[in-house]
Amino acid sequence: EDKVVQSPLSLVVHEGDTVTLNCSYEVTNFRSLLWYKQEKKAPTFLFMLTSSGIEKKSGRLSSILDKKELSSILNITATQTGDSAIYLCAVGSGDYKLSFGAGTTVTVRA
Amino acid sequence: SAVISQKPSRDICQRGTSLTIQCQVDSQVTMMFWYRQQPGQSLTLIATANQGSEATYESGFVIDKFPISRPNLTFSTLTVSNMSPEDSSIYLCSVERGGLLETQYFGPGTRLLVL
Repeated sequence: EDKVVQSPLSLVVHEGDTVTLNCSYEVTNFRSLLWYKQEKKAPTFLFMLTSSGIEKKSGRLSSILDKKELSSILNITATQTGDSAIYLCAVGSGDYKLSFGAGTTVTVRA
Repeated sequence: SAVISQKPSRDICQRGTSLTIQCQVDSQVTMMFWYRQQPGQSLTLIATANQGSEATYESGFVIDKFPISRPNLTFSTLTVSNMSPEDSSIYLCSVERGGLLETQYFGPGTRLLVL
């Protein structure tokens, strides 16, 4: 069975801090790893990673995949209160399915 | 990305009743997915809905409990049947878009509370 593990489960930081979220996986027929941000109900897409070692960036967020270590990290620099959310890692396998991790709850205090 | 709408956005239902959730996409898509997110939990795939064929259900989910319709390439419904309090969850539909496999975009979700 596919497995996606995120750490930490939650963290609290102050505005301006940098956070690093981790995602490790064990799946058969890996295709891609995706990061989502969930604030109220709907997860919003952040990144999709398929190749090892290539960093993807969007503003203050960046992510990289390590296929050798079967893991990915998501970095958020200069955090703002609007970054408070649950960050979900999902791994796509060969049959279009996404397996989600439990998520990391990030709370940014002013 | 994709513009996805869901109805209703939330509902409170009595046990033993059924609720049908609608998912509408702004353009044609091949695959639509239904997920459940129970309180404090991550997303779990219920089924994959392709137009013109029966939905494919994941382990632990059955058609009698979660019948799905996919009458065309822009619309799908999920029914939660004979509800119990354990069905209280957020139900989300998603679509695969962009020509990139597994780049799924999610609808706004339906928050269901069963009393």
